Amino acid sequence: AQSVTQPDIHITVSEGASLELRCNYSYGATPYLFWYVQSPGQGLQLLLKYFSGDTLVQGIKGFEAEFKRSQSSFNLRKPSVHWSDAAEYFCAVGQTSYDKVIFGPGTSLSVIP
Amino acid sequence: DVKVTQSSRYLVKRTGEKVFLECVQDMDHENMFWYRQDPGLGLRLIYFSYDVKMKEKGDIPEGYSVSREKKERFSLILESASTNQTSMYLCASSGFLAKPSSRDRELFFGEGSRLTVL
Repeated sequence: AQSVTQPDIHITVSEGASLELRCNYSYGATPYLFWYVQSPGQGLQLLLKYFSGDTLVQGIKGFEAEFKRSQSSFNLRKPSVHWSDAAEYFCAVGQTSYDKVIFGPGTSLSVIP
Repeated sequence: DVKVTQSSRYLVKRTGEKVFLECVQDMDHENMFWYRQDPGLGLRLIYFSYDVKMKEKGDIPEGYSVSREKKERFSLILESASTNQTSMYLCASSGFLAKPSSRDRELFFGEGSRLTVL
């Protein structure tokens, strides 16, 4: 069955530090992969997506993610975190056969000034 | 811009009541989804639909049903609400993700409906 894990429930980083949020998925074929962000009291916003091609994907707000098929991972990175990046981050996986999209449990990011 | 509209932002219902949550999208999207969001559990898929009158169970369909009579509208129904269905419900829509030319190869979300069952 299709599943998504985000091993880190909560992460705290200092402003200006680098960030990596982990995402692992379980799916037999090449998946569609997404990262969404949800700021407190706000709706979900797409950060980036991977469908095919270059495995390093650039997104909005300076985020990037790398698809590693051998590790079934799609980790999100940012070289320098800003206080406004404090939010909940969700990884999601879609099937290529039909468009069922499953979300992970989320990682809550806190940023220390 | 894509707009996904959920009819009610906040609802309070009593145990055993029938509850309807309505969702409308204006982008002619094929796919529509219902998720519930709970702290620590993320978004869990309840049902999704890839065409009118078509529906597929997600991971937690028990206690829910759906209706898609028109392409733009996807309704979530709680036949007999229970306290463990107190949650935030999110509707989303997308085009067919597999189409190379699909302009909207992502999920667009509504603002959510917070349901409290007493």
